[in-house]
Amino acid sequence: GEDVEQSLFLSVREGDSSVINCTYTDSSSTYLYWYKQEPGAGLQLLTYIFSNMDMKQDQRLTVLLNKKDKHLSLRIADTQTGDSAIYFCAEFVTGGFKTIFGAGTRLFVKA
Amino acid sequence: DTEVTQTPKHLVMGMTNKKSLKCEQHMGHRAMYWYKQKAKKPPELMFVYSYEKLSINESVPSRFSPECPNSSLLNLHLHALQPEDSALYLCASSQEYSNSNEKLFFGSGTQLSVL
Repeated sequence: GEDVEQSLFLSVREGDSSVINCTYTDSSSTYLYWYKQEPGAGLQLLTYIFSNMDMKQDQRLTVLLNKKDKHLSLRIADTQTGDSAIYFCAEFVTGGFKTIFGAGTRLFVKA
Repeated sequence: DTEVTQTPKHLVMGMTNKKSLKCEQHMGHRAMYWYKQKAKKPPELMFVYSYEKLSINESVPSRFSPECPNSSLLNLHLHALQPEDSALYLCASSQEYSNSNEKLFFGSGTQLSVL
């Protein structure tokens, strides 16, 4: 079946690194994504990784993919108060022709 | 222009009203989507249009009626809604609707309240 799981909350201090974790179930997923949603707004695509890659870095963001364990993580370096938001992990299910979202991790950044 | 624009931002309607949500994008994307998002939940797919044709209807009740007048516009017509339909309705677009990479660009949504 198709399922994406994330922890619901993460609290960090400003300047620390944040690591948001996600597990997915569909081994045929070709792409995995991280979206960010700020209050009262839509989702914004932050980054994505192709399933044959282990790691992708984009400025303060690092995505790690462990395909064997179906585990995806997003690391945010030097976390700022502006990073406070909900982060959704998502996988594109090739058989179902659609993107499946996790429940979202609410990141709180304390000044 | 990398925006998806949705109007209105907020909508309050009674159960007997008819209203429409509108969505517009000028990125040349050929796939457009409607999602429903309840508070503290992930978005749930409702409809997908590809090249102005309905490709996916995720068993959505007929009181929701989508329309794609052209490649830049997507509407969602609402009629006889129930209070449980209150949610944030998100429009999204992507370059193509294909069996590989689906990078979604979302609008800010319409917050709908049904009284």
